[in-house]
Amino acid sequence: NAGVTQTPKFQVLKTGQSMTLQCAQDMNHNSMYWYRQDPGMGLRLIYYSASEGTTDKGEVPNGYNVSRLNKREFSLRLESAAPSQTSVYFCASSVDHYYGYTFGSGTRLTVV
Amino acid sequence: GENVEQHPSTLSVQEGDSAVIKCTYSDSASNYFPWYKQELGKRPQLIIDIRSNVGEKKDQRIAVTLNKTAKHFSLHITETQPEDSAVYFCAALLGGGADGLTFGKGTHLIIQP
Repeated sequence: NAGVTQTPKFQVLKTGQSMTLQCAQDMNHNSMYWYRQDPGMGLRLIYYSASEGTTDKGEVPNGYNVSRLNKREFSLRLESAAPSQTSVYFCASSVDHYYGYTFGSGTRLTVV
Repeated sequence: GENVEQHPSTLSVQEGDSAVIKCTYSDSASNYFPWYKQELGKRPQLIIDIRSNVGEKKDQRIAVTLNKTAKHFSLHITETQPEDSAVYFCAALLGGGADGLTFGKGTHLIIQP
């Protein structure tokens, strides 16, 4: 049972490049989330998907887009990367909002 | 806006002593309050959670208390051990549950030998 799988684990981008972070869960969870973690800032919600077919903005959505491809997969896209998007990105899933999250192992992204 | 405040940002205790981390929240409609532990370079992991219809919950050396009137909740760790050293995050489901969890900024717990 893999839980939540994120790829890639590390990535370096140049300013203006695009990329997609992939996330998949095998726990039959309904809800999926993308957070970013910066030093001293805790975890901040970028986008979430309460159920298959729906997506909504979180606290810091600017510069990002998401796709809930199916119940298992939820991807995060950076269309034109900026240095301010240098961060560690975590995907998470849960049965629904009222249950604890299972996090992926994270993607460390550096934009130069 | 709605938020979660967490204190202290750093807590150093002697091995075997107790540690307490406190969080306050702004939305009186909040009803779900989990705590996560994150070791260096690892993912956050759920260690305990509490819902608004319960005042206290325990799991071995860990307990969480909730005061809905004062809008604060706390994590208590007794008989601390070296493996308790980590960053701890509180979280709350704000906005009536419409959005995902809002996290505090974390407490770095250091267990001194």
